[in-house]
Amino acid sequence: EAGVAQSPRYKIIEKRQSVAFWCNPISGHATLYWYQQILGQGPKLLIQFQNNGVVDDSQLPKDRFSAERLKGVDSTLKIQPAKLEDSAVYLCASSPPVETGGADTQYFGPGTRLTVL
Amino acid sequence: GNSVTQMEGPVTLSEEAFLTINCTYTATGYPSLFWYVQYPGEGLQLLLKATKADDKGSNKGFEATYRKETTSFHLEKGSVQVSDSAVYFCALSSTGAGSYQLTFGKGTKLSVIP
Repeated sequence: EAGVAQSPRYKIIEKRQSVAFWCNPISGHATLYWYQQILGQGPKLLIQFQNNGVVDDSQLPKDRFSAERLKGVDSTLKIQPAKLEDSAVYLCASSPPVETGGADTQYFGPGTRLTVL
Repeated sequence: GNSVTQMEGPVTLSEEAFLTINCTYTATGYPSLFWYVQYPGEGLQLLLKATKADDKGSNKGFEATYRKETTSFHLEKGSVQVSDSAVYFCALSSTGAGSYQLTFGKGTKLSVIP
């Protein structure tokens, strides 16, 4: 079974530029998460989707960050304009449907390391 | 609110030494507990989980027991290898509005030297 896919793996941009990250979850996983992981810290949830609806985006800085999951599968996370403090690893995760009994478990992709100069 | 506290790192051990990484949690209800491992330059990998009190999760020689009375989920391994060098995250899964969310500790970096 293929895991969570993310691209690009690395991105370097200047501050005030825009950037987008892509995520393809594990097939059949209805719930998709985006996390920000700053160096030396644990992941922080940015947004959670259930199919193509937003469940929780309370920690998403909506003035510059946006995310969508239009067809309930792939998702993109965008930052516009980027700031120096956005330098971090952006992780995507997905979890199985509730009826499988494993909805409490998240599976992570390799992440995108963003450097803002 | 929910929180996870794990021992400060970094932890440096010699190969074949015994490993313990402490983790305690605060949560309402009955969360599931997890250990994730992150190797350099990679995402988080699920190492093990336990879903109820007294459950023991195990994988690749690592073990952790869900202790509700002490709200702990300490990670142990009897004999570490150089390849175990990584950052280890303790986490709990809580439910809200019918969905699950993870709360992570800050991570503990383990370095194993030959």
